[in-house]
Amino acid sequence: DAKTTQPPSMDCAEGRAANLPCNHSTISGNEYVYWYRQIHSQGPQYIIHGLKNNETNEMASLIITEDRKSSTLILPHATLRDTAVYYCIVIGNNRKLIWGLGTSLAVNP
Amino acid sequence: DTGVSQDPRHKITKRGQNVTFRCDPISEHNRLYWYRQTLGQGPEFLTYFQNEAQLEKSRLLSDRFSAERPKGSFSTLEIQRTEQGDSAMYLCASGLGEGGYTFGSGTRLTVV
Repeated sequence: DAKTTQPPSMDCAEGRAANLPCNHSTISGNEYVYWYRQIHSQGPQYIIHGLKNNETNEMASLIITEDRKSSTLILPHATLRDTAVYYCIVIGNNRKLIWGLGTSLAVNP
Repeated sequence: DTGVSQDPRHKITKRGQNVTFRCDPISEHNRLYWYRQTLGQGPEFLTYFQNEAQLEKSRLLSDRFSAERPKGSFSTLEIQRTEQGDSAMYLCASGLGEGGYTFGSGTRLTVV
């Protein structure tokens, strides 16, 4: 399974876009990129996933570079409730999630 | 059925006792996963089931740990002779196909 690298922490002002980067340079052709977040003491929450095309849903947008070696999760208008740890994960055929340490996002008023 | 349910939410047990956790996945989901998470770390994979078959077990799952999913629906995770190092949040997730997994709220185990 490919490993991911994320910055340990980021800050964002409330109402602004939060752009969370992730490197997955060893990703292979059939592996998806998934994003989850975890608010303190709760179970992880699914946000979005993609293979090679950019994706958008009601929570976020996912931009995947053409070579698929990195991606960016975009929260278009961050709120205080978006403060959480965000995990970027690559999943292969075995469907097993291998988690890193994630990015701790602090949304400030 | 609105999500993945885990029971109990919290468990405090004395070292050496056995504990069992239950997970009820989303009903149509055929995949079920168990993870363990300690403070400040991401979740660690323990095991997963496709329907009732246990397809993979992590090396983290010592002989004291056993998981079952007898009818391909709910699952149980048992820890025998608990140790203080077993204290963690135990998370269950279920999924279907290529979609995202849905996690439960977890069972927080404290071994004293």
